Amino acid sequence: GESVGLHLPTLSVQEGDNSIINCAYSNSASDYFIWYKQESGKGPQFIIDIRSNMDKRQGQRVTVLLNKTVKHLSLQIAATQPGDSAVYFCAENINTGNQFYFGTGTSLTVIP
Amino acid sequence: GAVVSQHPSRVICKSGTSVKIECRSLDFQATTMFWYRQFPKQSLMLMATSNEGSKATYEQGVEKDKFLINHASLTLSTLTVTSAHPEDSSFYICSAFTRPNTEAFFGQGTRLTVV
Repeated sequence: GESVGLHLPTLSVQEGDNSIINCAYSNSASDYFIWYKQESGKGPQFIIDIRSNMDKRQGQRVTVLLNKTVKHLSLQIAATQPGDSAVYFCAENINTGNQFYFGTGTSLTVIP
Repeated sequence: GAVVSQHPSRVICKSGTSVKIECRSLDFQATTMFWYRQFPKQSLMLMATSNEGSKATYEQGVEKDKFLINHASLTLSTLTVTSAHPEDSSFYICSAFTRPNTEAFFGQGTRLTVV
């Protein structure tokens, strides 16, 4: 699953609300997924990961859901804060290759 | 987490010249590193997989003669953009992992501007 050169979709949420960011991945052989956060001019930062033998994983204020049937990932951010404003990418990995391929990404803006 | 460092963070070069970008794993050894390119408001596009002691593997559509990759040690990979043109202006990011099929750590990126 290679990323495509599409422009980023955007999501605006009110501070304190929950955010849901979605991602469709392309390769049914992908078995490891990561959500990354990228702030302007910086490299991606790890948020949370999930392997294909799970369908849900929770971290601090974040939850990732994996639906392998429809090749869909979501990232839920609870009580969204202004510091959460960034671009969020899902990345998929196939064990045999070790490369990570990135999804289109979503630009999240938190309104104070 | 593990630290991956890139240098320089920003570079401006003249069209036709070559630019080298370094990617270092600071606190771990990386037999494999990855190079990505990112255009404004777009996603990261994997360019190539850099393998220590052997040739890099390039993604389809990436010119290997233009983007030279050298991975001479377990902590350093370099990407050289040869004969740079304005369309090569982009954000270049490297990554590495400590163990296969685990989290990839990313450098802070290099903003290349070709004038």
